[in-house]
Amino acid sequence: DGGITQSPKYLFRKEGQNVTLSCEQNLNHDAMYWYRQDPGQGLRLIYYSQIVNDFQKGDIAEGYSVSREKKESFPLTVTSAQKNPTAFYLCASSIDETLDGYTFGSGTRLTVV
Amino acid sequence: GQSLEQPSEVTAVEGAIVQINCTYQTSGFYGLSWYQQHDGGAPTFLSYNALDGLEETGRFSSFLSRSDSYGYLLLQELQMKDSASYFCAVDTGRRALTFGSGTRLQVQP
Repeated sequence: DGGITQSPKYLFRKEGQNVTLSCEQNLNHDAMYWYRQDPGQGLRLIYYSQIVNDFQKGDIAEGYSVSREKKESFPLTVTSAQKNPTAFYLCASSIDETLDGYTFGSGTRLTVV
Repeated sequence: GQSLEQPSEVTAVEGAIVQINCTYQTSGFYGLSWYQQHDGGAPTFLSYNALDGLEETGRFSSFLSRSDSYGYLLLQELQMKDSASYFCAVDTGRRALTFGSGTRLQVQP
C-alpha cells in the first residue's frame, strides 16, 4: 500500500542538539511539505519542495533545514538555532495540493528536554 | 499578510447539522480546502472549492463565495466520530497551503 511514513513517532532532544526527522513516501508524488503544529493551533509551513533538488522556505523556516535528494525523501533538520522546537511535526506530499489534497504522515512529536 | 479566521469551538448533538465558517484575507487565492484531524492524528483531506457554489460529498458539503472571501463546511447527520478539529486552507499561489487555526467540533449524544 502506498503511503507516507514519518519516523520516529516521538523524539526527545537536548538543548543545543540538532535532530533530523525522517519523511518517506512511495506515492510517486512530486511535491512534499513540512508543517509544524503547536497545541490547539493550526499548521504552519516550514519548507516545501515541488521537485527533486529544489525547495522553498515557508513561513517559519528559521532554525530549520531540509534536503530533497530523492523524490521519495524529504528530511527535516531542527537545528540548535530553533529557539522553541517542541511541537508536532507533520510531513505531507501531493500530486496536486488542490484537487487531490495533501496526504499527511502520522507525525513526529518533538520534545526538548 | 495572510489570515484565515475560523471559530475556535463548535458543539452540536448527534444527528444535527453544523456549519463551520472560514473567512480569509490573502494576497492571492486559488481555492479553499478543508481537512479533518482527530486528536493526535494526521489531518485528512475532505474537500476543495475553486469556484463559487456548493460541493457535496456524502454527509459533508463545502461552499465558497469568492466575492465575500468566505466559505463553510457543512456536516449533516452528525455522528460521534465526527468529533475532531476541522481546518480550512488556502493556496495563495505559491503551491503550498496556508491553514487556518482550526475549529474543534464536539458532538454530544
